Amino acid sequence: NAGVTQTPKFRVLKTGQSMTLLCAQDMNHEYMYWYRQDPGMGLRLIHYSVGEGTTAKGEVPDGYNVSRLKKQNFLLGLESAAPSQTSVYFCASSLPSGRLYNEQFFGPGTRLTVL
Amino acid sequence: QQQVKQSPQSLIVQKGGISIINCAYENTAFDYFPWYQQFPGKGPALLIAIRPDVSEKKEGRFTISFNKSAKQFSLHIMDSQPGDSATYFCAASTGAGGTSYGKLTFGQGTILTVHP
Repeated sequence: NAGVTQTPKFRVLKTGQSMTLLCAQDMNHEYMYWYRQDPGMGLRLIHYSVGEGTTAKGEVPDGYNVSRLKKQNFLLGLESAAPSQTSVYFCASSLPSGRLYNEQFFGPGTRLTVL
Repeated sequence: QQQVKQSPQSLIVQKGGISIINCAYENTAFDYFPWYQQFPGKGPALLIAIRPDVSEKKEGRFTISFNKSAKQFSLHIMDSQPGDSATYFCAASTGAGGTSYGKLTFGQGTILTVHP
């Protein structure tokens, strides 16, 4: 099993450009999450999904959109990138609902720089 | 609004020493407290977790101590090794039931360096 994979690994954008980050998991997990990691701020939840076709806002959703058309994939979009979105982005997934305390499994991250 | 506060921001320990990282939380509805370990260039991975019905959980050299009344919990790494050098995050959750969906609130992170 590959676990959670993310593409691309690195990306440099100019202000105003758009891009999509792809997350894929092969563990049949129901829940998927997008985080951003910034120095001194830990990981902050951007958006999450509790199943195919569903999405919800997290702590810092502004400037991002997401889609989950297939259970195994969770896409994060930046419509008009801003320098404040320079960060490392992590995708995570967790076991199907019904378990009380779900371990989240993280991907390797995407390092995004917006100039 | 940072609901989980972690300290110190960085920590340097000699091989064989004890590393201690502390976290404090505000939301009394939190009922699951995991610690994640992250190596450079990798994603975080679950290290150890505790529920508030116990005051301590030990797995090998790693121990979580939990103080419900003080709303604090800490990670102790005994006999610290250079291979333990990583960033450690505490987190808190209200679990996966209801509308919480297993969402985690993370602390700011601690960069641990263990010198040989």
